[in-house]
Amino acid sequence: SQKIEQNSEALNIQEGKTATLTCNYTNYSPAYLQWYRQDPGRGPVFLLLIRENEKEKRKERLKVTFDTTLKQSLFHITASQPADSATYLCALQFSGSARQLTFGSGTQLTVLP
Amino acid sequence: NAGVTQTPKFQVLKTGQSMTLQCAQDMNHNSMYWYRQDPGMGLRLIYYSASEGTTDKGEVPNGYNVSRLNKREFSLRLESAAPSQTSVYFCASSEFGLDNGYTFGSGTRLTVV
Repeated sequence: SQKIEQNSEALNIQEGKTATLTCNYTNYSPAYLQWYRQDPGRGPVFLLLIRENEKEKRKERLKVTFDTTLKQSLFHITASQPADSATYLCALQFSGSARQLTFGSGTQLTVLP
Repeated sequence: NAGVTQTPKFQVLKTGQSMTLQCAQDMNHNSMYWYRQDPGMGLRLIYYSASEGTTDKGEVPNGYNVSRLNKREFSLRLESAAPSQTSVYFCASSEFGLDNGYTFGSGTRLTVV
């Protein structure tokens, strides 16, 4: 079965620095890879989607890369702010899977002022 | 525009009791999903409905049933609750072909004692 690993359960960084979160997967490459943000007591919120034929995608201070050779996605938040503190989830979707997403367990990011 | 609405937000059940978790979306999405989220295990797919009139099992379907009542509503039923079903349950919806990811509800926190 597909396994998804997100680097360390918790990551602390200083305000203004770039946060980099890692998502590694095994076995088959997904058609899509998505990143979500989850705040305590809330449902996940969609941030970015990157396709298997895309290397990089950006949205404001967010950047996602996708390396199908390494089976890895990196999620970057530049100029991080305390408001970016949350748990970030990566999720994989495979072709022909009726858009089912398989989620990693998440990385809790804390941005220190 | 409410998005995805789940009811109830909190519920305590005794072992063996039954209940139905309700989910409704107002975005005209074709696909709907039920996930459970447990500490350290991420989100796991229980059941999904790719389109109105169809339902399929996900990763952890045992002990649950679902009904896609119409395009808007997708309910999850626990026929005989067990302590192992203590979890936070999330409903989500999506539309194929759009790069907008899933839209999640705010969750139902269920405790089975």
